[in-house]
Amino acid sequence: GAGVSQSPSNKVTEKGKDVELRCDPISGHTALYWYRQSLGQGLEFLIYFQGNSAPDKSGLPSDRFSAERTGGSVSTLTIQRTQQEDSAVYLCASSPRRIAHTYEQYFGPGTRLTVT
Amino acid sequence: AQSVAQPEDQVNVAEGNPLTVKCTYSVSGNPYLFWYVQYPNRGLQFLLKYITGDNLVKGSYGFEAEFNKSQTSFHLKKPSALVSDSALYFCAVTLRGNNDMRFGAGTRLTVKP
Repeated sequence: GAGVSQSPSNKVTEKGKDVELRCDPISGHTALYWYRQSLGQGLEFLIYFQGNSAPDKSGLPSDRFSAERTGGSVSTLTIQRTQQEDSAVYLCASSPRRIAHTYEQYFGPGTRLTVT
Repeated sequence: AQSVAQPEDQVNVAEGNPLTVKCTYSVSGNPYLFWYVQYPNRGLQFLLKYITGDNLVKGSYGFEAEFNKSQTSFHLKKPSALVSDSALYFCAVTLRGNNDMRFGAGTRLTVKP
């Protein structure tokens, strides 16, 4: 079946512009994660959605970052007034269980963001 | 807060030899531990996990890992490496009731023919 998809696969933007990154999780998965992978770094947790519960936003690095998940499915990560340090690969993952942290996550291919 | 360390940026082994990719963790509580692999130009894939029970867990592609509580380690192992195992490997840890999965910086494994 279809895996997690993300769009766009690559995004080049100018410093100061806003960007939106999209994630389509696997159908039926209740948990959705966003991570950031910078060159030479591990994955940095950004935000977690579980069903209709309030998201865990504890990993968002600044108030320029926000995310929403509509209808418990598609999620959009928005970065306002992008900075060069925002350049990274943004990964989305979904998980099929309510107690998501005990189950493996299924990752999308990522969106490579380059801020010039 | 939980964290993991992967002390080796790079591991090189010859095909057919055993391989080990190291991971140590730091948590205040009982950890849930995971290994993921990232092949070139592909997304991360789950390999195996330790939640509870037997300390030796077996996963995909012949990989296994041993949970060692006294040494706070969860090293990934394979008895005989393949060239196709060459990839970037990530260790991750979380805690019960915690949404924040912490990943290590990754270890690049290169298996030479």
